[in-house]
Amino acid sequence: DAGITQSPRYKITETGRQVTLMCHQTWSHSYMFWYRQDLGHGLRLIYYSAAADITDKGEVPDGYVVSRSKTENFPLTLESATRSQTSVYFCASSENSASNQPQHFGDGTRLSIL
Amino acid sequence: AQKVTQAQTEISVVEKEDVTLDCVYETRDTTYYLFWYKQPPSGELVFLIRRNSFDEQNEISGRYSWNFQKSTSSFNFTITASQVVDSAVYFCALSEVPCGGSNYKLTFGKGTLLTVNP
Repeated sequence: DAGITQSPRYKITETGRQVTLMCHQTWSHSYMFWYRQDLGHGLRLIYYSAAADITDKGEVPDGYVVSRSKTENFPLTLESATRSQTSVYFCASSENSASNQPQHFGDGTRLSIL
Repeated sequence: AQKVTQAQTEISVVEKEDVTLDCVYETRDTTYYLFWYKQPPSGELVFLIRRNSFDEQNEISGRYSWNFQKSTSSFNFTITASQVVDSAVYFCALSEVPCGGSNYKLTFGKGTLLTVNP
């Protein structure tokens, strides 16, 4: 039972570069989410997806792009990375749209932008 | 807008002490769900419990217990006889029932760092 996996676990890049964080889940969950975790802010929602080809903005979407061509994958792209996007990124999934369903998280990607 | 406040930024206890982590929330909805997650030093986020707004019964799971009080908009988490392995950041989160099923949003508090010393 692989669950939800994120890759890479660690990434260092330079400002202005494009970087894509991958997220893959094996549960066939409908909903997938991307959060960033920063000191003093907790977890903040970047984007979420209700199903393949359906995505929507969260609290802090600027500078990020997502896609969901397949149910199991939900990549997050920083088109032109900035230092303020240095963070730990978490992907999550949940079974359906019911707000009582817990979200299950990947192990996170620690991204540093120099 | 929904909001979750975890006023305790850090708590330090000695092993075997009981410790309570506070969580206060704000919402305009009558139907909502509350969650607790644990983030150990290894970094992953682990789901601990879910509670709906219509069920105010306290819940106990081993050394963990949760006290939900709608009157004070609180959902506190108590660890009895704490252990070093309980050291982690604990997050409280709130989810409102989405309108039309499309605006699902989970709002997290900023977390409480619990350190249990041997």
